[in-house]
This record gives sequence, structure tokens and C-alpha cells, in this order.
Amino acid sequence: RKEVEQDPGPFNVPEGATVAFNCTYSNSASQSFFWYRQDCRKEPKLLMSVYSSGNEDGRFTAQLNRASQYISLLIRDSKLSDSATYLCVVNIGNYGQNFVFGPGTRLSVLP
Amino acid sequence: DTEVTQTPKHLVMGMTNKKSLKCEQHMGHRAMYWYKQKAKKPPELMFVYSYEKLSINESVPSRFSPECPNSSLLNLHLHALQPEDSALYLCASSQENIINRGDYGYTFGSGTRLTVV
Repeated sequence: RKEVEQDPGPFNVPEGATVAFNCTYSNSASQSFFWYRQDCRKEPKLLMSVYSSGNEDGRFTAQLNRASQYISLLIRDSKLSDSATYLCVVNIGNYGQNFVFGPGTRLSVLP
Repeated sequence: DTEVTQTPKHLVMGMTNKKSLKCEQHMGHRAMYWYKQKAKKPPELMFVYSYEKLSINESVPSRFSPECPNSSLLNLHLHALQPEDSALYLCASSQENIINRGDYGYTFGSGTRLTVV
């Protein structure tokens, strides 16, 4: 089993749609969780950290379920500019940083 | 300054060449990383430096040689590469917590797109 798995995608949605991405991780000792966004031929950029209590940033909501080892990202009112690959990242280290990237889910928002 | 700067942005090299990739950050981060990313794949970890010491080497071939001259700089020396080494090479940095309190993600540089011919 891979350490971090994501919905295979791609997701093609119309503008204004709500879309949800799922991510599961295998290491129960994982401590930190993030969603990154990567545009074509660009570097990944941190979208948001994911906290146990859930967190929201504008149209983006992230949730963490430690018991199920599951992370989600919800995007409301999709914009064309949301088109990108969304990477789930898990820090599996007990000390220091050891980030593992999921394979990514490609989102295309269509006019 | 919240940037990680990588040079060069593009590099074409022959299989017998020696070249170096450079990475610089001035955010006071004490962990720095090299990642390799092939098209349509996630980044793959190559090396981790923590407090200027190599802490993780993910079984990377010796034709890739990392160097951390100081806490702000990270180099990747390349020698005798193969065409399959062509990829986007990403440098990243992060705060380093001995007691893991989460929350700290990576800041990535814009990468060096390497082509080996």
C-alpha cells in the first residue's frame, strides 16, 4: 500500500461547481498534513495546512480524520483559475520533517 | 524575504558534463531539500539537509552529489548524468522542529528544468 493515496482524477467540473478531493495515508504516526497546488510546469505551492479541527480559507475547506487516516479538500464556487494539480502531503516523520507527496489529483474547471 | 531562489532555471547538459544547481533561502529555515519531479508525477525526495548536515539520502545515485555550504545555501553537483535524469529539480526549505508540532509546510523554489542529452 502506498503511503499517501489520492483520488486518481482528473476532475472536470463547470465553473461554480463544488468539488471535493480525498486523500488517505497509511502511517498512523503522521503528524502534519497539507494541501499543495501545482500549476503546469511550476513548483508546488502551499495551499493550506490541515488541522484536526478542520480549517477554512475562503472557498477552500480542509478536513482531517485521524481515526480513518483521511484528509479532504473542498473547493466551493470553482473558478477557472482553480485548474491545477492538487497534491496531498503528509509529514510521516516523528522528528523533523519527512514529507511524502501523494500522486496528485488534476482539476480542470471548464467555462 | 519569503523566497527560495534556484539557479539556473533551465539547464541542458551532455552526459560527460559537470554542472551544479544552486538554491538559496534567507528565511532562517534550517531544513533544506532536493526533490526530483518527472512529468505528471509528484515530487520525489532525493536529499534532506538538517542544520547543514545530510540527514536523508533516498538511495540517490552517486552521480548526484549534494552540498550545503551554509544554512542559506544548498547545491546539487551533477556529473555523468543519463538522459533519464532529465526532470524538474526542486529545492525546498522548511523550519525544522525536533518536537514535531506540525503546521510547517515547505517553501519551494521555482525549480531547474534539466535536460540531459
